[in-house]
Amino acid sequence: ETGVTQTPRHLVMGMTNKKSLKCEQHLGHNAMYWYKQSAKKPLELMFVYSLEERVENNSVPSRFSPECPNSSHLFLHLHTLQPEDSALYLCASSQFKGQAHEQFFGPGTRLTVL
Amino acid sequence: QKEVEQDPGPLSVPEGAIVSLNCTYSNSAFQYFMWYRQYSRKGPELLMYTYSSGNKEDGRFTAQVDKSSKYISLFIRDSQPSDSATYLCAMRRSNDYKLSFGAGTTVTVRA
Repeated sequence: ETGVTQTPRHLVMGMTNKKSLKCEQHLGHNAMYWYKQSAKKPLELMFVYSLEERVENNSVPSRFSPECPNSSHLFLHLHTLQPEDSALYLCASSQFKGQAHEQFFGPGTRLTVL
Repeated sequence: QKEVEQDPGPLSVPEGAIVSLNCTYSNSAFQYFMWYRQYSRKGPELLMYTYSSGNKEDGRFTAQVDKSSKYISLFIRDSQPSDSATYLCAMRRSNDYKLSFGAGTTVTVRA
């Protein structure tokens, strides 16, 4: 595997379900990000982890719970979601601090909440 | 006022045409400017990366930054059907990991 991978690619869940999104980066980066992408809206930064510590939490509802067990893996745990949470969830990674901050994205998980 | 404004399009051009994409921004502290390309059902991929004002060319792609006008552009020469995608502009301040994105412009290149 190369780059940033995400599983599952598609997820349909009811409002009472609990599910998790997984992201893995193979680039040797030390920062990982969760973004939400909704149609015709800019990417919304949800969470940032640097060296496994959360450094950003952009007023995201508590029904979204991130976990970063090591610098290569990132999870987003979902519970009691709302239909308006349906979107493409993107994971990205980068080097944190220093000159190169280019963020590399995974293919995303298309989430539909019924 | 949005921090980054980008015309959502859609933009439809014939093969071989020049595609011109633009973003304006309000934060004069932005120093790094990026263009991402996002194909349908894929994540964004970094296409061009520019520091401060000036031009940068990579093959058929040219990125321009005019910091005095707070305006950035991406030009695609000799456009191909494979260039059909959504193009996102993004920018950040020095030593800041946070990217501010435009909403994206969807481009279709007709064969």
